[in-house]
Order: sequence, then structure tokens, then C-alpha cells
Amino acid sequence: DTGVSQDPRHKITKRGQNVTFRCDPISEHNRLYWYRQTLGQGPEFLTYFQNEAQLEKSRLLSDRFSAERPKGSFSTLEIQRTEQGDSAMYLCASRKAGRYQETQYFGPGTRLLVL
Amino acid sequence: GQQVMQIPQYQHVQEGEDFTTYCNSSTTLSNIQWYKQRPGGHPVFLIQLVKSGEVKKQKRLTFQFGEAKKNSSLHITATQTTDVGTYFCAVGNQGGKLIFGQGTELSVKP
Repeated sequence: DTGVSQDPRHKITKRGQNVTFRCDPISEHNRLYWYRQTLGQGPEFLTYFQNEAQLEKSRLLSDRFSAERPKGSFSTLEIQRTEQGDSAMYLCASRKAGRYQETQYFGPGTRLLVL
Repeated sequence: GQQVMQIPQYQHVQEGEDFTTYCNSSTTLSNIQWYKQRPGGHPVFLIQLVKSGEVKKQKRLTFQFGEAKKNSSLHITATQTTDVGTYFCAVGNQGGKLIFGQGTELSVKP
């Protein structure tokens, strides 16, 4: 257990429905990252926050995706009008701000299946 | 942007055999990190290399960063069934986001 928690761990939804995932980072970590991982691939960066500010979004993050970190603590990732191609593992990671040497700690992920 | 290519994609070994996975880039890397992901699990940080020619060891695992900082390798000596999983290299980029390789899936036959 790295100290990063994600909820839910599994989500099955029908195409067209909206889903929301939550990530609780390690408490003293001010940077929070979201990644998506499909079967047989490495995680792909989606977006990251420093405190409550969203500093970068990947081109993978279509307008159906939105992420927030309202108080600089937990974060939510919402997918609207889900598509079958959204089926993946959604991983959250956190770390302290600083240079790249700071270790990133991953949560257990949320597995999404869109039927 | 930076990309890292990882080979092989799969490796099946007999328990006790050695295993190596390679990570290559066409550009100079500022750092390389290695992660292990067990089946059904999440990536777990193993190590980070930042210096040219750096070699680090963790028990049976040896990590190397190339002199030109364009490649890296992870070598496991005398594999055990507990080594099963997918090993990823990743580059820490601006803002700390990670760019992952495709991973090498290791299976170990007892």
C-alpha cells in the first residue's frame, strides 16, 4: 500500500453514461497525476495538478474528460458520455513538487469497463 | 516529445535463468526510472538513474544507464517466481510527468 487510494476500484458502465473516479493522494504530496493504461501498454499521461492548479493536459484528454482538485487534496476524474474505447485502467499518482528525482507513488487504479 | 522504446515485449524464462530488458531513446534522457507491475496490480517504483554510465544494484537486480544517456537496462540474476510481472522504464519529463515504455512482460516457469 503506497498511501494513494482510488475509488472505486472497478466500474462497469453502459456506453453514454457518465462516470467519476476519485483519488486521494499521500497527504503531504502537492503534485497529483492521472494516467490511463490499456491492456499490454504502459501508462499514458493524462493530466497533472500542483495543489489545486491543473498545469498540463494531454491531447489524450478529450473534451469529454474533466479533472479537478478543488482544495488541493483529493482529485476527481470525470468521463462524460463514455465510449467503449474509454475502457482502461485509470491510475492516479502523487509526489512532492520539486525536480524529477522525486518518486511518484501510484494508487491501485480504477478499472473501467464500458459496455 | 521524448519517447522510449522497450524490448523485448515478452520474455519467458525458466526459474534460475537470467533476464534482461532494454530501454532505448533517440534523444538524450535526463533520467530514467524503472517500475514493476505485478499482474492485476499497479506500477511500483524500483529505481531512478540520472548519471551517465550509472550502475545501481538491488539484490538480484542490476540497473544501468548508458554513457550517452540514451539507453538503459534492467538485469535480473537467477530469476524467481516472485519476479513475475511487467517491467517498465519511464522518463520523468517537465512537470514530473512520466513517459513510459511499452513494458517487458516476464513470466517465470518453476
